[in-house]
Amino acid sequence: EVQLLESGGGLVQPGGSLRLSCAASGLIFSTYAMSWVRQAPGKGLEWVSGISATGGTTYYADSVKGRFTISRDNSKNTLYLQMNSLRAEDTAVYYCAKWDWNDYWFAPWGQGSLVTVSS
Amino acid sequence: QSALTQPASVSGSPGQSITISCTGTSSDVGAYKFVSWYQQHPDKAPKLMIYDVSNRPSGVSNRFSGSKSGNTASLTISGLQAEDEADYYCSSYTPSTTLIIFGGGTKLTVL
Repeated sequence: EVQLLESGGGLVQPGGSLRLSCAASGLIFSTYAMSWVRQAPGKGLEWVSGISATGGTTYYADSVKGRFTISRDNSKNTLYLQMNSLRAEDTAVYYCAKWDWNDYWFAPWGQGSLVTVSS
Repeated sequence: QSALTQPASVSGSPGQSITISCTGTSSDVGAYKFVSWYQQHPDKAPKLMIYDVSNRPSGVSNRFSGSKSGNTASLTISGLQAEDEADYYCSSYTPSTTLIIFGGGTKLTVL
């Protein structure tokens, strides 16, 4: 069974930084693309970023481009999201998900990690 | 990119069928087969229910089906059950720097 476990969320001040991690198990991690999707409190889903299986290609939503960096360490079966210059509007639960690179769907998803940007 | 348009809420009685619509444009939903649907129960992670417009992943009940006509995709749930009560989100590929867009979500209430 594939399991994805996010960590690293918490409270950060506006302008601050945070790094999320997503530990994967139950799959050959290095053969799958991965993504981050977020959900603001009481709101809908928003795709944030995606990365190819090798890590050589990355994609970002316009809302986070230049501030967030996605990466992966296939030797550790772990996905990362480095978030800089955080804003109040970045407050959300961040989910990592296995991403079908060809058909643009996500399954399965992790349980999520809450990031709160507030002074 | 604008989000896809979904009704805020739908409802139905046990055993009935309901349909949730997801309207995009000729540049996203209307142009590609890459429409998927997710179910999310309160305080839980989303779960993939339909991909590529009408394909069901292994383990998803055949009461769930998807279709598309023009710029609008639809999710139909037949034989409604209490456990189907959840939020449902559609998503689509879009040929822009923001690769994937979601609908605003639809809350399904089973009466």
